[in-house]
Amino acid sequence: RKEVEQDPGPFNVPEGATVAFNCTYSNSASQSFFWYRQDCRKEPKLLMSVYSSGNEDGRFTAQLNRASQYISLLIRDSKLSDSATYLCAVNSLYSSASKIIFGSGTRLSIRP
Amino acid sequence: GAVVSQHPSWVICKSGTSVKIECRSLDFQATTMFWYRQFPKQSLMLMATSNEGSKATYEQGVEKDKFLINHASLTLSTLTVTSAHPEDSSFYICSALGQGYQPQHFGDGTRLSIL
Repeated sequence: RKEVEQDPGPFNVPEGATVAFNCTYSNSASQSFFWYRQDCRKEPKLLMSVYSSGNEDGRFTAQLNRASQYISLLIRDSKLSDSATYLCAVNSLYSSASKIIFGSGTRLSIRP
Repeated sequence: GAVVSQHPSWVICKSGTSVKIECRSLDFQATTMFWYRQFPKQSLMLMATSNEGSKATYEQGVEKDKFLINHASLTLSTLTVTSAHPEDSSFYICSALGQGYQPQHFGDGTRLSIL
């Protein structure tokens, strides 16, 4: 089983739709969680950190469920520019060193 | 926000050449840097974790003698692809991590093409 798993998609939704991604992680000792966005042929860029209480940034809402070991990302009123691959990332402690494990990414395509 | 600079952004060279890629954290001290490789339409694959002042930790299946990593200071890590061959052609991305459970910040990536 992969340490961090995501549905690879692709998700193909119309502009204005709401779309949600989930990501599960296997290490219960994981400490921090993030969503990254990666455009084609570009490096990943941090979208938002994910906190236990849930957090919102404009149209984006991230939530963490420690009991079930998953994080989610909700995008409301999707725009064409939201088309990208979304990577979840989990930061855990391995042998006293911090390491971030990425999911394989979920591809999102917004159509006009 | 935190900035990570990676250089060069694009390399095209002949088979057998060694290629050095630099990763610098510009406005923070990076105790740990990571090197990833990404083939087209595939996910980021962690190659190695580079800790300042100590040997890098390589992921399973990554040849340490092929991919030399040096992390001599808190702001610079280098990856050298030795005797590169066409199958080494890929997108190489570094990232830097500060103290604690902070997010990683990525460099712009280096697109390596071996002819």
